[in-house]
Amino acid sequence: QVQLLESGPGLVKPSETLSLTCNVSGDSISVSTTYFWGWIRQSPGKGLEWVGSVFHDGSTFYNPSLESRVTIFVDTSKQQFSLRLKSVTAADTALYYCARHTAVAFDRWGQGMLVTVSS
Amino acid sequence: SSELTQDPAVSVALGQTVRITCQGDSIRSYFPTWYQQKPGQAPVLVIYSKNKRPSGIPDRFSGSSSGNTATLTITAAQAEDEADYYCNCRDNIGNLHYLFGTGTKVTVL
Repeated sequence: QVQLLESGPGLVKPSETLSLTCNVSGDSISVSTTYFWGWIRQSPGKGLEWVGSVFHDGSTFYNPSLESRVTIFVDTSKQQFSLRLKSVTAADTALYYCARHTAVAFDRWGQGMLVTVSS
Repeated sequence: SSELTQDPAVSVALGQTVRITCQGDSIRSYFPTWYQQKPGQAPVLVIYSKNKRPSGIPDRFSGSSSGNTATLTITAAQAEDEADYYCNCRDNIGNLHYLFGTGTKVTVL
């Protein structure tokens, strides 16, 4: 059974960089040529927003509205992929989910990690 | 920019049928996907590739699409179907970019 688990600081100061890691178990990131590994966020009381995704070979795809601030990278040896979002503001406060997905569906999700941007 | 629009809320009587719609230009190009999210939980995939259900999803959930509109139908809704539902599909203006709908809160009466 594939499991994903987010980790990282739950509090980030404005203008700093948000950093989260997703650990994957039950599936091999390096072998899964079918799957992408993505980040989705959900602001409090709001809907879902795709942040970006990475393929096992390091290819990345980002939400155009966040592209200038986002970096996603994969470490296949550690079975993890990571999100970096720079120059954060209060608008970046959200529940951040990591997820596995194909070209058409996000089929496995982590439990989510709340990140608050506040001084 | 591209977007997927859903009605904010809909209610259904226990055992009746409810239809949740999602509108957007990207639906003309890509099959929509649907997720169920209950309070405090991560979203769960319920329909993909227009009308396929993952293992474990009851067959009372079905999907369809026509033109720029996708529909998730819950036939004979149960109390446990009360949740937020989100549509999702690839954005037709980017390479492997994804859109999520605005979400619909389903209340089972």
